[in-house]
Amino acid sequence: AQSVSQHNHHVILSEAASLELGCNYSYGGTVNLFWYVQYPGQHLQLLLKYFSGDPLVKGIKGFEAEFIKSKFSFNLRKPSVQWSDTAEYFCAVIARSGGYNKLIFGAGTRLAVHP
Amino acid sequence: GAGVSQTPSNKVTEKGKYVELRCDPISGHTALYWYRQSLGQGPEFLIYFQGTGAADDSGLPNDRFFAVRPEGSVSTLKIQRTERGDSAVYLCASRRDPGEGAPEAFFGQGTRLTVV
Repeated sequence: AQSVSQHNHHVILSEAASLELGCNYSYGGTVNLFWYVQYPGQHLQLLLKYFSGDPLVKGIKGFEAEFIKSKFSFNLRKPSVQWSDTAEYFCAVIARSGGYNKLIFGAGTRLAVHP
Repeated sequence: GAGVSQTPSNKVTEKGKYVELRCDPISGHTALYWYRQSLGQGPEFLIYFQGTGAADDSGLPNDRFFAVRPEGSVSTLKIQRTERGDSAVYLCASRRDPGEGAPEAFFGQGTRLTVV
């Protein structure tokens, strides 16, 4: 069965620090990969997604992620974080097989950015 | 509608009671998902509908949980004989017809269920 692992449960950074959040998935076939963000008191929103093509994808608010197929990874990065990036971040995967589109989430990483 | 709508936003019920949670997806979205999110956890998959049928209900924890989507639009998650462990935020998401381009899932605000 497919699964998603996020390595860091809590990350604390100062403003302007660089960010990298790890995500690994288990599924041997074709996948679509997503990063969602949940700001305090708000619903889940899409940050970026990978479908095919260039493995380096860029999303909103300066976030990017790199799909490395050989490592089954889709790590999220941002060169310089801001206080407003404080939120919870979720990696998600859809294993595509014959129209099957089950969307599975990781446990999430809670990011706190201090001014 | 403009987004995914879930009602009620909050529900407090007594242990042993029956509850229904409603999800109104974005118009035209054929795929609909239910998740349960406990404090400090990621969304836990419950069930996925493609149209009117449940394509995958492997995440439903036991036979007290059931979901329907009779006309391929609105969905209702039904929980019988509620237990305190059912307390969580129940999330609904919808996607347009999955095809090329990896359409994203849009989430509602969730229903916070508290069983006392």
